[in-house]
Parts: sequence; C-alpha cells; structure tokens
Amino acid sequence: EDQVTQSPEALRLQEGESSSLNCSYTVSGLRGLFWYRQDPGKGPEFLFTLYSAGEEKEKERLKATLTKKESFLHITAPKPEDSATYLCADKNSNDYKLSFGAGTTVTVRA
Amino acid sequence: DSGVTQTPKHLITATGQRVTLRCSPRSGDLSVYWYQQSLDQGLQFLIQYYNGEERAKGNILERFSAQQFPDLHSELNLSSLELGDSALYFCASSVALDSYGYTFGSGTRLTVV
Repeated sequence: EDQVTQSPEALRLQEGESSSLNCSYTVSGLRGLFWYRQDPGKGPEFLFTLYSAGEEKEKERLKATLTKKESFLHITAPKPEDSATYLCADKNSNDYKLSFGAGTTVTVRA
Repeated sequence: DSGVTQTPKHLITATGQRVTLRCSPRSGDLSVYWYQQSLDQGLQFLIQYYNGEERAKGNILERFSAQQFPDLHSELNLSSLELGDSALYFCASSVALDSYGYTFGSGTRLTVV
C-alpha cells in the first residue's frame, strides 16, 4: 500500500518568513499529487493538483512543485491568515481514492 | 460553502449506541466518499459510492456501513459505538467515478462518551 509522509509535523513562522513543507510518496503509478488546506474544525479545501515531475503551480503566496518521489509546498512571505494544516494526498493507478498524509500544521505569527 | 452538506455538525452519544451521519453531495456529483479523521490517524478513507453502488472500500470496520440513495445523498451508519470511534467524519463528492480531486463537506464531529 502506498504511503504519504509529510514533514515537518508542525511549523511556526514569523510573518514574512518563507519556508517549505515536504510530502514524500511511495506509489509507483502516480496519477496525481494533491494539496489541501484545512482550518480547525473544517473540511479540507482543495489547493492544487500536480500530475508529473517538474510541474509547478502557484496560488497567491503558495507554490507547489513535484519531483519523482516528493512534492514541496513553498510558502512565500506568509501572513497570519496562512495558518492552517496543509495536507497532501496521492492517487495511484489502482485506486479511485486519495491517500492522505498526516499533515503539517503551520502557524504564522504577526 | 463547498456545496457538500453534512448533518449533523456535532453528535454526542454513549458507547454501544448507533448513529447515522448524512451527506448531500454537490449538485451534479455522482461519487461520494467517506473519510474518518482522528487526532492520531489523520484522514483515513472508509468507503466510496458511485451512483448508488459501492465502488471502493478502505479501512472500514464491520460495525460501520454506508449506502447511497437514488437522490444521491449518502448515509454512514455507525453501530456498537466505542470510545475510539470519536472522530471527525468527512464526506466528499466528485463528478465521476475516477475524479482528480474532490470537494469536502465541513464534517460531523462524533463524540462517544
């Protein structure tokens, strides 16, 4: 069974302090790598889908990249409203479902 | 509002009891997925229905069952509840059987006491 591992578990940043979150996956037949944002007590909110190594996608202060075994979510000059748990998930060739990592909880202090 | 509606938002019940969680997918979506999220486990896939039929099964306990009705809403039934079943239960929906990404509801928080 494929495994999705996210690191670090938690990240505390000062406003404006850029950083990156890591997501590594083991599935060999990757059909998509997904990033979601989850606020406390709410459902995950879709951010990005990446399909092939080398692909990049951006949305405001967030940029997601994909290699053959990892994905990174770069947060540039974060603001307090970027505080959330960021989840990544993969989809393999044999499944309809998404398999999620445990998430990285980001706290941005003003 | 994501368009996926889950009820109730909160549920407190005693061990041994049975509860039903309800999910209405986004308009036009035929697939419904159920996930469980607990503090120590993260988001765990339970089951998927597509247009009324079960299509994929994950780590769903035998005490749990689900169905999708002709109007496409889905229900997750949890019985003989244990303290360890306390968690957030999310429903998500997508258009197709094999979609790239789906939309989540806001969840039902189940507390078993």
